Amino acid sequence: SAVISQKPSRDICQRGTSLTIQCQVDSQVTMMFWYRQQPGQSLTLIATANQGSEATYESGFVIDKFPISRPNLTFSTLTVSNMSPEDSSIYLCSGLVDQQNQETQYFGPGTRLLVL
Amino acid sequence: SQQGEEDPQALSIQEGENATMNCSYKTSINNLQWYRQNSGRGLVHLILIRSNEREKHSGRLRVTLDTSKKSSSLLITASRAADTASYFCATGISGSARQLTFGSGTQLTVLP
Repeated sequence: SAVISQKPSRDICQRGTSLTIQCQVDSQVTMMFWYRQQPGQSLTLIATANQGSEATYESGFVIDKFPISRPNLTFSTLTVSNMSPEDSSIYLCSGLVDQQNQETQYFGPGTRLLVL
Repeated sequence: SQQGEEDPQALSIQEGENATMNCSYKTSINNLQWYRQNSGRGLVHLILIRSNEREKHSGRLRVTLDTSKKSSSLLITASRAADTASYFCATGISGSARQLTFGSGTQLTVLP
Protein backbone atom coordinates (compact mmCIF):
# COMPACT_ATOMS: atom_id res chain seq x y z
CA SER A 1 0.00 0.00 0.00
CA ALA A 2 0.94 3.66 -0.24
CA VAL A 3 1.42 6.13 2.58
CA ILE A 4 -0.56 9.31 1.97
CA SER A 5 -0.83 12.23 4.35
CA GLN A 6 -2.87 15.41 4.22
CA LYS A 7 -2.91 18.63 6.12
CA PRO A 8 -4.71 20.27 7.64
CA SER A 9 -6.89 17.46 8.94
CA ARG A 10 -9.71 19.92 9.50
CA ASP A 11 -10.41 23.62 9.37
CA ILE A 12 -13.18 26.11 9.95
CA CYS A 13 -13.11 29.01 7.53
CA GLN A 14 -15.01 32.19 6.87
CA ARG A 15 -17.00 32.78 3.74
CA GLY A 16 -14.98 34.41 0.97
CA THR A 17 -11.59 33.15 2.12
CA SER A 18 -9.45 30.43 0.54
CA LEU A 19 -7.85 27.31 1.97
CA THR A 20 -4.98 25.30 0.58
CA ILE A 21 -4.83 21.59 1.37
CA GLN A 22 -1.57 19.72 1.05
CA CYS A 23 -1.12 16.08 0.11
CA GLN A 24 2.11 14.14 0.43
CA VAL A 25 2.50 10.66 -1.01
CA ASP A 26 5.28 8.14 -0.99
CA SER A 27 7.30 7.35 -4.07
CA GLN A 28 5.24 4.38 -5.27
CA VAL A 29 2.45 6.62 -6.50
CA THR A 30 2.18 7.24 -10.23
CA MET A 31 -0.91 9.44 -10.37
CA MET A 32 -2.67 11.68 -7.86
CA PHE A 33 -6.31 12.68 -7.62
CA TRP A 34 -8.49 15.00 -5.57
CA TYR A 35 -12.01 14.08 -4.46
CA ARG A 36 -14.78 15.85 -2.61
CA GLN A 37 -17.22 14.17 -0.27
CA GLN A 38 -20.16 16.32 0.69
CA PRO A 39 -21.92 15.57 3.98
CA GLY A 40 -23.62 12.18 3.87
CA GLN A 41 -22.62 11.65 0.26
CA SER A 42 -20.25 9.51 -1.71
CA LEU A 43 -17.00 10.67 -3.30
CA THR A 44 -16.88 12.80 -6.42
CA LEU A 45 -13.69 13.21 -8.42
CA ILE A 46 -12.62 16.84 -8.72
CA ALA A 47 -9.51 16.48 -10.86
CA THR A 48 -6.41 14.55 -11.72
CA ALA A 49 -3.28 16.33 -10.52
CA ASN A 50 -0.67 16.30 -13.28
CA GLN A 51 2.97 16.77 -12.48
CA GLY A 52 4.30 20.05 -13.83
CA SER A 53 1.20 20.93 -15.82
CA GLU A 54 -2.40 21.97 -15.36
CA ALA A 55 -4.71 19.55 -13.64
CA THR A 56 -7.43 17.73 -15.57
CA TYR A 57 -10.80 18.75 -14.17
CA GLU A 58 -14.02 16.78 -14.15
CA SER A 59 -17.29 18.20 -15.31
CA GLY A 60 -18.61 20.74 -12.84
CA PHE A 61 -15.22 21.70 -11.43
CA VAL A 62 -13.08 24.58 -12.68
CA ILE A 63 -9.54 25.75 -12.12
CA ASP A 64 -10.54 29.17 -10.82
CA LYS A 65 -12.47 27.59 -7.96
CA PHE A 66 -10.17 24.65 -7.27
CA PRO A 67 -6.63 25.47 -8.40
CA ILE A 68 -4.35 22.45 -8.08
CA SER A 69 -0.59 22.20 -8.16
CA ARG A 70 1.68 19.20 -8.39
CA PRO A 71 5.24 20.48 -8.56
CA ASN A 72 6.76 17.01 -8.21
CA LEU A 73 5.77 13.34 -8.12
CA THR A 74 5.02 13.15 -4.44
CA PHE A 75 3.32 16.42 -3.53
CA SER A 76 0.13 18.19 -4.54
CA THR A 77 -2.04 21.01 -3.26
CA LEU A 78 -5.71 21.78 -3.73
CA THR A 79 -7.00 25.28 -3.01
CA VAL A 80 -10.66 25.90 -2.34
CA SER A 81 -11.13 29.50 -3.41
CA ASN A 82 -13.65 32.13 -2.38
CA MET A 83 -15.38 29.66 -0.12
CA SER A 84 -19.07 29.50 0.60
CA PRO A 85 -20.96 27.23 3.02
CA GLU A 86 -21.70 24.90 0.09
CA ASP A 87 -17.98 24.06 0.00
CA SER A 88 -18.21 22.41 3.40
CA SER A 89 -17.04 18.88 2.67
CA ILE A 90 -14.31 16.37 3.22
CA TYR A 91 -11.57 16.75 0.63
CA LEU A 92 -9.49 13.67 -0.06
CA CYS A 93 -6.42 13.11 -2.14
CA SER A 94 -5.53 9.72 -3.50
CA GLY A 95 -2.57 8.11 -5.17
CA LEU A 96 -2.48 5.39 -7.77
CA VAL A 97 -0.12 2.51 -7.12
CA ASP A 98 0.73 -0.12 -9.70
CA GLN A 99 1.04 -3.42 -7.86
CA GLN A 100 1.62 -6.59 -9.82
CA ASN A 101 0.22 -4.96 -12.94
CA GLN A 102 -2.94 -3.92 -11.14
CA GLU A 103 -3.55 -0.31 -10.30
CA THR A 104 -5.02 0.45 -6.90
CA GLN A 105 -5.94 3.84 -5.43
CA TYR A 106 -5.05 4.62 -1.87
CA PHE A 107 -6.53 7.56 -0.03
CA GLY A 108 -5.28 10.09 2.42
CA PRO A 109 -7.10 10.66 5.72
CA GLY A 110 -9.05 13.60 4.31
CA THR A 111 -9.43 17.26 5.24
CA ARG A 112 -12.72 18.16 6.86
CA LEU A 113 -13.70 21.70 5.90
CA LEU A 114 -16.47 23.74 7.46
CA VAL A 115 -17.28 27.10 5.93
CA LEU A 116 -19.29 29.53 8.02
CA SER B 1 -24.62 10.15 -12.22
CA GLN B 2 -22.79 7.67 -10.08
CA GLN B 3 -21.71 4.44 -11.66
CA GLY B 4 -22.42 2.30 -8.64
CA GLU B 5 -25.48 1.93 -6.54
CA GLU B 6 -25.31 0.04 -3.31
CA ASP B 7 -27.87 -1.64 -1.21
CA PRO B 8 -28.86 -1.61 1.42
CA GLN B 9 -28.21 2.04 2.22
CA ALA B 10 -28.02 1.10 5.88
CA LEU B 11 -27.56 -2.23 7.64
CA SER B 12 -27.66 -2.97 11.35
CA ILE B 13 -26.61 -6.36 12.70
CA GLN B 14 -25.47 -8.00 15.91
CA GLU B 15 -21.83 -8.76 16.57
CA GLY B 16 -20.95 -12.20 15.26
CA GLU B 17 -23.44 -12.11 12.42
CA ASN B 18 -22.50 -11.86 8.77
CA ALA B 19 -23.05 -8.67 6.79
CA THR B 20 -23.69 -8.62 3.07
CA MET B 21 -23.60 -5.49 0.95
CA ASN B 22 -24.37 -5.32 -2.73
CA CYS B 23 -23.18 -3.05 -5.49
CA SER B 24 -24.55 -2.66 -8.99
CA TYR B 25 -22.96 -0.73 -11.81
CA LYS B 26 -23.86 0.30 -15.33
CA THR B 27 -20.95 0.09 -17.75
CA SER B 28 -18.10 -2.28 -18.51
CA ILE B 29 -15.39 -2.26 -15.89
CA ASN B 30 -11.74 -3.14 -15.58
CA ASN B 31 -11.96 -3.80 -11.86
CA LEU B 32 -14.11 -3.17 -8.82
CA GLN B 33 -12.77 -2.13 -5.46
CA TRP B 34 -14.28 -1.98 -2.01
CA TYR B 35 -13.37 0.68 0.53
CA ARG B 36 -14.27 1.29 4.15
CA GLN B 37 -14.69 4.71 5.69
CA ASN B 38 -14.97 5.26 9.39
CA SER B 39 -17.04 8.28 10.35
CA GLY B 40 -15.55 11.43 8.88
CA ARG B 41 -12.24 9.79 8.07
CA GLY B 42 -10.34 8.78 4.96
CA LEU B 43 -10.98 5.67 2.94
CA VAL B 44 -9.27 2.39 3.61
CA HIS B 45 -8.79 0.08 0.65
CA LEU B 46 -10.19 -3.36 1.41
CA ILE B 47 -10.04 -5.48 -1.68
CA LEU B 48 -9.81 -5.29 -5.45
CA ILE B 49 -11.39 -7.79 -7.80
CA ARG B 50 -10.59 -7.83 -11.50
CA SER B 51 -13.22 -8.19 -14.18
CA ASN B 52 -12.01 -11.70 -15.01
CA GLU B 53 -12.31 -12.88 -11.41
CA ARG B 54 -15.48 -14.17 -9.82
CA GLU B 55 -14.57 -14.36 -6.14
CA LYS B 56 -11.87 -13.13 -3.87
CA HIS B 57 -11.12 -13.54 -0.18
CA SER B 58 -9.19 -11.46 2.30
CA GLY B 59 -9.44 -12.48 5.94
CA ARG B 60 -13.08 -12.13 6.96
CA LEU B 61 -13.97 -10.49 3.67
CA ARG B 62 -15.37 -12.23 0.64
CA VAL B 63 -16.09 -10.36 -2.56
CA THR B 64 -17.95 -11.73 -5.55
CA LEU B 65 -18.29 -10.22 -8.99
CA ASP B 66 -20.87 -11.09 -11.62
CA THR B 67 -20.09 -9.12 -14.75
CA SER B 68 -23.12 -10.52 -16.58
CA LYS B 69 -25.36 -8.93 -13.96
CA LYS B 70 -23.04 -5.99 -13.41
CA SER B 71 -23.06 -6.57 -9.69
CA SER B 72 -20.75 -7.31 -6.80
CA SER B 73 -21.23 -8.26 -3.19
CA LEU B 74 -19.10 -7.81 -0.10
CA LEU B 75 -19.56 -10.30 2.71
CA ILE B 76 -18.09 -9.65 6.13
CA THR B 77 -18.18 -12.77 8.27
CA ALA B 78 -18.27 -12.89 12.07
CA SER B 79 -18.72 -9.14 12.28
CA ARG B 80 -17.27 -7.05 15.08
CA ALA B 81 -18.24 -3.70 16.51
CA ALA B 82 -15.08 -2.28 14.93
CA ASP B 83 -16.52 -3.12 11.50
CA THR B 84 -19.02 -0.30 11.97
CA ALA B 85 -18.34 2.06 9.05
CA SER B 86 -19.52 3.11 5.62
CA TYR B 87 -18.59 0.74 2.81
CA PHE B 88 -18.22 1.93 -0.77
CA CYS B 89 -17.72 0.09 -4.00
CA ALA B 90 -15.76 1.84 -6.71
CA THR B 91 -15.41 0.86 -10.31
CA GLY B 92 -12.53 1.39 -12.67
CA ILE B 93 -13.85 1.63 -16.21
CA SER B 94 -12.78 -0.74 -18.90
CA GLY B 95 -9.36 0.11 -20.24
CA SER B 96 -8.50 2.36 -17.35
CA ALA B 97 -8.48 1.80 -13.64
CA ARG B 98 -7.26 5.27 -13.02
CA GLN B 99 -10.50 7.07 -12.51
CA LEU B 100 -12.76 5.50 -9.96
CA THR B 101 -16.48 6.06 -9.79
CA PHE B 102 -17.89 5.50 -6.35
CA GLY B 103 -21.18 4.00 -5.33
CA SER B 104 -23.54 5.58 -2.86
CA GLY B 105 -22.28 3.53 0.06
CA THR B 106 -23.74 1.28 2.74
CA GLN B 107 -23.68 2.36 6.37
CA LEU B 108 -23.02 -0.73 8.46
CA THR B 109 -23.65 -0.71 12.19
CA VAL B 110 -22.53 -3.70 14.23
CA LEU B 111 -24.13 -3.77 17.64
CA PRO B 112 -22.14 -5.24 20.52
